[in-house]
Amino acid sequence: GAVVSQHPSRVICKSGTSVKIECRSLDFQATTMFWYRQFPKQSLMLMATSNEGSKATYEQGVEKDKFLINHASLTLSTLTVTSAHPEDSSFYICSARLWDREETQYFGPGTRLLVL
Amino acid sequence: QKEVEQDPGPLSVPEGAIVSLNCTYSNSAFQYFMWYRQYSRKGPELLMYTYSSGNKEDGRFTAQVDKSSKYISLFIRDSQPSDSATYLCAMRGGSNYKLTFGKGTLLTVNP
Repeated sequence: GAVVSQHPSRVICKSGTSVKIECRSLDFQATTMFWYRQFPKQSLMLMATSNEGSKATYEQGVEKDKFLINHASLTLSTLTVTSAHPEDSSFYICSARLWDREETQYFGPGTRLLVL
Repeated sequence: QKEVEQDPGPLSVPEGAIVSLNCTYSNSAFQYFMWYRQYSRKGPELLMYTYSSGNKEDGRFTAQVDKSSKYISLFIRDSQPSDSATYLCAMRGGSNYKLTFGKGTLLTVNP
């Protein structure tokens, strides 16, 4: 149980294009989903917290107009990187919190984004 | 001072060794403590979860939390090459679900 999937696993795009990343909880309903960013040999940095049916809460320094988050259902959240630039190249990871097991989060496998 | 400090290593041990991984933290509001394992280019996998102070054992893994010292540990017994990964500590407060992570320790277990 507690499986989280992400799609795509890897994406290469040209500068200026937008990229959408999906995060799904496969066998549970996720009250809250989180989006993280991880640079090589660095820890995970929380970008935003997403609750189903409401606007995402962004961490300080994260541009909400650049990183659009939609949490349409209890099993799906999407992150859209708009007008991507090479500095947006990173490893993006989502996690989900079970509604009845609030103590921790379960992570997806991550999406590697490379912007040329 | 960062909220969570973790020695990034790298740490290299022979197969069968006991591994000790540690994190210190400064925020006394942290109550939930987790250890995640992350293989290269993969998402973190939850290994251990502990609430407040104490010990928790699961197979070859033991997690310890000492809130008085603001110090947490993960012990791996009889380490295997498949344990080679980056180990991340994470923690959060009681009312806030946001996790604060350490930088991770890169562990290599040599056959």
